[in-house]
Amino acid sequence: DTAVSQTPKYLVTQMGNDKSIKCEQNLGHDTMYWYKQDSKKFLKIMFSYNNKELIINETVPNRFSPKSPDKAHLNLHINSLELGDSAVYFCASSHRGTNYGYTFGSGTRLTVV
Amino acid sequence: ILNVEQSPQSLHVQEGDSTNFTCSFPSSNFYALHWYRWETAKSPEALFVMTLNGDEKKKGRISATLNTKEGYSYLYIKGSQPEDSATYLCASSAYNNNDMRFGAGTRLTVKP
Repeated sequence: DTAVSQTPKYLVTQMGNDKSIKCEQNLGHDTMYWYKQDSKKFLKIMFSYNNKELIINETVPNRFSPKSPDKAHLNLHINSLELGDSAVYFCASSHRGTNYGYTFGSGTRLTVV
Repeated sequence: ILNVEQSPQSLHVQEGDSTNFTCSFPSSNFYALHWYRWETAKSPEALFVMTLNGDEKKKGRISATLNTKEGYSYLYIKGSQPEDSATYLCASSAYNNNDMRFGAGTRLTVKP
């Protein structure tokens, strides 16, 4: 049983397209996150949701829009993809509060051509 | 220190060697520190979560210490094995902040 699952694992798309990455967790966690692994391999927070409510929204272009239909799902929709959006995107979940460890998904490698 | 910094960036050791690496983090308003183990082509896996100054945690041959006053944590691996080869990430957070800030990781290679 995969605890945090992301789909797709790989995504190759053309500039200007709109795409979505889905994330689901079956751990009963109430908080979910999207991280972007940048070119220097840092994991940078993009968004965090707690019980379907947005609690962190870092400075990311508004072409990126998270959607949380319920506390087990946090999807990431990206409009008008640009070359610079190419990266690995990780979903994670935890209980609320940073005194709990995160469980990460396996990542989605997005390549914009 | 404004960001989370890890050193060294990479480390090569022989099987059986013991090793350690450092995570430095902002000490003001500190709340929690996480260590993760990240194998190639897999996702980061939580090793430890520490919150108290002087905390020491252990899991098998891996242990970690925490100094919140000076803003550093050490991760120790005793008797390294090839299967310990991975990137070890640390992340810290501050009070009233839901955001874990990650370091760039220390990439450990253990040669048989």
